Amino acid sequence: GAVVSQHPSWVICKSGTSVKIECRSLDFQATTMFWYRQFPKQSLMLMATSNEGSKATYEQGVEKDKFLINHASLTLSTLTVTSAHPEDSSFYICSASEGGTDTQYFGPGTRLTVL
Amino acid sequence: GDSVTQMEGPVTLSEEAFLTINCTYTATGYPSLFWYVQYPGEGLQLLLKATKADDKGSNKGFEATYRKETTSFHLEKGSVQVSDSAVYFCALMMDSSYKLIFGSGTRLLVRP
Repeated sequence: GAVVSQHPSWVICKSGTSVKIECRSLDFQATTMFWYRQFPKQSLMLMATSNEGSKATYEQGVEKDKFLINHASLTLSTLTVTSAHPEDSSFYICSASEGGTDTQYFGPGTRLTVL
Repeated sequence: GDSVTQMEGPVTLSEEAFLTINCTYTATGYPSLFWYVQYPGEGLQLLLKATKADDKGSNKGFEATYRKETTSFHLEKGSVQVSDSAVYFCALMMDSSYKLIFGSGTRLLVRP
């Protein structure tokens, strides 16, 4: 089946630094990628939707200058958390879709801890 | 806005017990409904889905029926196994957006 990977699986950084998370579709072309954030014991909240070669569409309340999303190829999307602060600590999950379909394939997630 | 409500967990069952995880939704239109499962250390996987009222999704012994009149999509399995231990997420998608709206997830623990 379709596989989506994320790297790193976990990261610890100091407050004020930036962190980049990669999301790759390993065996299919991902026209659309989604980025979610999950707090402990809570649901996945959609942060943004990105289509290859286009600017990402952010959900209401998500700061686009803080969470930079790049989807430069059909197999790679990146999320950069800029000037991270402790409140940005969370579990970030990406998913990928081949486009024109309701099926999303999810990555295993990245746990970010900001000290 | 559109939303999904799931029963809180954890749900603890003995092997071969009957499972029900309740899910209800609120939507302005006619969404597609999904159940995703997350095994420890892995990404969410699609378990089953239904795209219109009265449809039944099924996979691996799990079933859920799209009930428009009660706005529900309860997940059931007749006989659970230890390997079913995971977190189960109910979700909806409105046709035009391809965006998923998730419930809070229900952890299932099946004891031998």
